[in-house]
Amino acid sequence: GIQVEQSPPDLILQEGANSTLRCNFSDSVNNLQWFHQNPWGQLINLFYIPSGTKQNGRLSATTVATERYSLLYISSSQTTDSGVYFCAVDRTMDTGRRALTFGSGTRLQVQP
Amino acid sequence: GAVVSQHPSRVICKSGTSVKIECRSLDFQATTMFWYRQFPKQSLMLMATSNEGSKATYEQGVEKDKFLINHASLTLSTLTVTSAHPEDSSFYICSAESEEDYEQYFGPGTRLTVT
Repeated sequence: GIQVEQSPPDLILQEGANSTLRCNFSDSVNNLQWFHQNPWGQLINLFYIPSGTKQNGRLSATTVATERYSLLYISSSQTTDSGVYFCAVDRTMDTGRRALTFGSGTRLQVQP
Repeated sequence: GAVVSQHPSRVICKSGTSVKIECRSLDFQATTMFWYRQFPKQSLMLMATSNEGSKATYEQGVEKDKFLINHASLTLSTLTVTSAHPEDSSFYICSAESEEDYEQYFGPGTRLTVT
């Protein structure tokens, strides 16, 4: 099956710092999503980004589908940004069924 | 819009008993719902795809007789963990695929502890 790798696995930042999270995937995909999982476990969709660049406030994401990677940028980080960031790729399986495969996640801690 | 609820949010049960978890799409219809399991400090792993009115499709390694899935309506899917054991303790998350935009919307999760 498809492999989805994220780096770094853990990241500690001081409030106000910027960061870049990376997601590499091993095969072509229909779509790619970035999620933030808050400390209570709720997954919050940040971006649907099969290709190109999108921005939403302090967050932006870029996917280069031809090179099979995506980047999530967090600028001017805040303590509320803490949590785990997952990328997930949307593929159509051989059975014709669609499925999301999640990466291993980046655990971010923003310190005041 | 596009809210998914799960009930209960957390449950503790004794080894050998069965536990039912409900997943509801509150303001949209979902022909397809998904069940994921997440162990501490790990990623989400897809367990099964739940299809309204038909049998669920289970991922390799997931016991269909242990994890019973019923998708009786376009807004409700249930996961029953039968004869639960401590190794079934985990965070179970459902998602529902909207018929309108085909996006998956995630529930808040259910934390199961088997003692």
